[in-house]
Amino acid sequence: AQSVAQPEDQVNVAEGNPLTVKCTYSVSGNPYLFWYVQYPNRGLQFLLKYITGDNLVKGSYGFEAEFNKSQTSFHLKKPSALVSDSALYFCAVRDDSGYSTLTFGKGTMLLVSP
Amino acid sequence: NAGVMQNPRHLVRRRGQEARLRCSPMKGHSHVYWYRQLPEEGLKFMVYLQKENIIDESGMPKERFSAEFPKEGPSILRIQQVVRGDSAAYFCASSPSGTFSGANVLTFGAGSRLTVL
Repeated sequence: AQSVAQPEDQVNVAEGNPLTVKCTYSVSGNPYLFWYVQYPNRGLQFLLKYITGDNLVKGSYGFEAEFNKSQTSFHLKKPSALVSDSALYFCAVRDDSGYSTLTFGKGTMLLVSP
Repeated sequence: NAGVMQNPRHLVRRRGQEARLRCSPMKGHSHVYWYRQLPEEGLKFMVYLQKENIIDESGMPKERFSAEFPKEGPSILRIQQVVRGDSAAYFCASSPSGTFSGANVLTFGAGSRLTVL
């Protein structure tokens, strides 16, 4: 069975500082990894994904994520946080062995203070 | 190009009533997924459908819940005899038509929030 762990329920960061939202995963095959963001009372919006290739993936709104196979991690990062980045962030995983569902973590609330 | 459309956005039902949630996928998408979001639990997969077929319903409760995606019209998630524990946000997502690929990005709707009194 595949699973995702987001160890932090909440991350607090000051505007202008770098941010990291952590994610570790477990799958039986090779992973397809995704980050989504959810603003209040809205659906999830896709940020970025890792399929294969370069371990550093760049996505929307200046976000990036680093795939680390040995640590089974896919942490989300941004060099300089904005107040408008405050939202709920979800990491998700699928394996590459035929059809599999997309499994989400519990989410991490990011709060960026002015 | 409209995104994934869900309605109603908010639904209030009394215990024992039926709830029907509808989802129209993006144009060109024929794969539909339903997820449920409960506080403190994140998103839980419920069911994956293609036109006229249920592909994976491993996340659906065995009783009271059903889903369909007919040849014409939206996908429908139906909850019979609702209980308070069914109160949640239900999200629909779709992905492109054609051969399934795990790399496909799911596009989510804005969700339907069910409140059971």
